[in-house]
Amino acid sequence: SQQGEEDPQALSIQEGENATMNCSYKTSINNLQWYRQNSGRGLVHLILIRSNEREKHSGRLRVTLDTSKKSSSLLITASRAADTASYFCAFNAGNNRKLIWGLGTSLAVNP
Amino acid sequence: DAGVTQSPTHLIKTRGQHVTLRCSPISGHKSVSWYQQVLGQGPQFIFQYYEKEERGRGNFPDRFSARQFPNYSSELNVNALLLGDSALYLCASSPGTWGNTGELFFGEGSRLTVL
Repeated sequence: SQQGEEDPQALSIQEGENATMNCSYKTSINNLQWYRQNSGRGLVHLILIRSNEREKHSGRLRVTLDTSKKSSSLLITASRAADTASYFCAFNAGNNRKLIWGLGTSLAVNP
Repeated sequence: DAGVTQSPTHLIKTRGQHVTLRCSPISGHKSVSWYQQVLGQGPQFIFQYYEKEERGRGNFPDRFSARQFPNYSSELNVNALLLGDSALYLCASSPGTWGNTGELFFGEGSRLTVL
């Protein structure tokens, strides 16, 4: 299956702690994106990292990409209760123009 | 500026019925994609339309169809509904050219329940 795999499936932390979630895939990719989804609502784009990039930052978010290990990680620093959501990775592989999505990590940040 | 809008937000149908879901992309966006998200899973790609032509199709049966209008809005139609069609249906638009897999802008979704 081309589907991405994310771990952990669920993560519970205290406010102020850092949260790290990982995404693995099986094929060569052109780019990888991370999205956030609040309970049953639409997805919001967080960050895109291209296959020739290794690290990218956006505010409290840091994304890394290791193409040799076919994996990416999303780090949220100094988490807040408002970061509680599901986080999905999505990637584009080869000539396939559709995005392939992971199963998501459910993050709970406790106040 | 208005984001991607979808209607209806919620609907309940019975098996065998037909449903039409609607999506208006962000102004200036010419590409619209449809995704199905079953509870607890990631989105699954259904269709992509660009400039009113189908540019991609996922592994969904022929009961699923879609179209894009001259104003770039789109409809997703599902015939002969099954219980397994119960899901959140997400529409996403993007400004890019055909097959662009950059950032997608999502609507809030249409939650379909099939009884």
